Amino acid sequence: EAGVTQFPSHSVIEKGQTVTLRCDPISGHDNLYWYRRVMGKEIKFLLHFVKESKQDESGMPNNRFLAERTGGTYSTLKVQPAELEDSGVYFCASSKPLGLAGGGTGELFFGEGSRLTVL
Amino acid sequence: GNSVTQMEGPVTLSEEAFLTINCTYTATGYPSLFWYVQYPGEGLQLLLKATKADDKGSNKGFEATYRKETTSFHLEKGSVQVSDSAVYFCALGKDSSYKLIFGSGTRLLVRP
Repeated sequence: EAGVTQFPSHSVIEKGQTVTLRCDPISGHDNLYWYRRVMGKEIKFLLHFVKESKQDESGMPNNRFLAERTGGTYSTLKVQPAELEDSGVYFCASSKPLGLAGGGTGELFFGEGSRLTVL
Repeated sequence: GNSVTQMEGPVTLSEEAFLTINCTYTATGYPSLFWYVQYPGEGLQLLLKATKADDKGSNKGFEATYRKETTSFHLEKGSVQVSDSAVYFCALGKDSSYKLIFGSGTRLLVRP
């Protein structure tokens, strides 16, 4: 079974440019999450999708960040325009639905992360 | 608010040494506690977890006990290997475990 895959692994852009990060969750995982780790600090929650719907986007820092999950499969996270403080590692995670029907235990499966460097 | 504090790294040990990485938390109620590990070039992986006070999580020789009285969840391993070199993150989950609150991570380097 393929794990959570993220692309690109590393992106270097200039301030003011746009970057789009992509996440492919594990097949069958309805839940998809974005987290980020800025400047070697703690990893922080950004948002949570259930299928194509945003369940919780309380961690999104500002309106320069736009996350989508059309069709409930892969997700993209766009930063436009990028600022210096956006540099960091963006992690995607997925999980099965909880409960007997979903078979999930609540465990999150993370990707390797996409490192974003804004110059 | 809820938070997790873990010891700063890097921690450098010789192979077969004893490992302790300290983690303390602040939270209301009864959170679940986790240790995640990120090996070089890989994603974050759940290492172990504990869901209530006095629970001990264990995996791959690592252990951590949920201590409510000291609000701690220290990670220990009796004899580390070079392959344990990684970044270790302590985390807590409240209400629903998806919204994890992480510590800042501790890099462990084990030398042969």
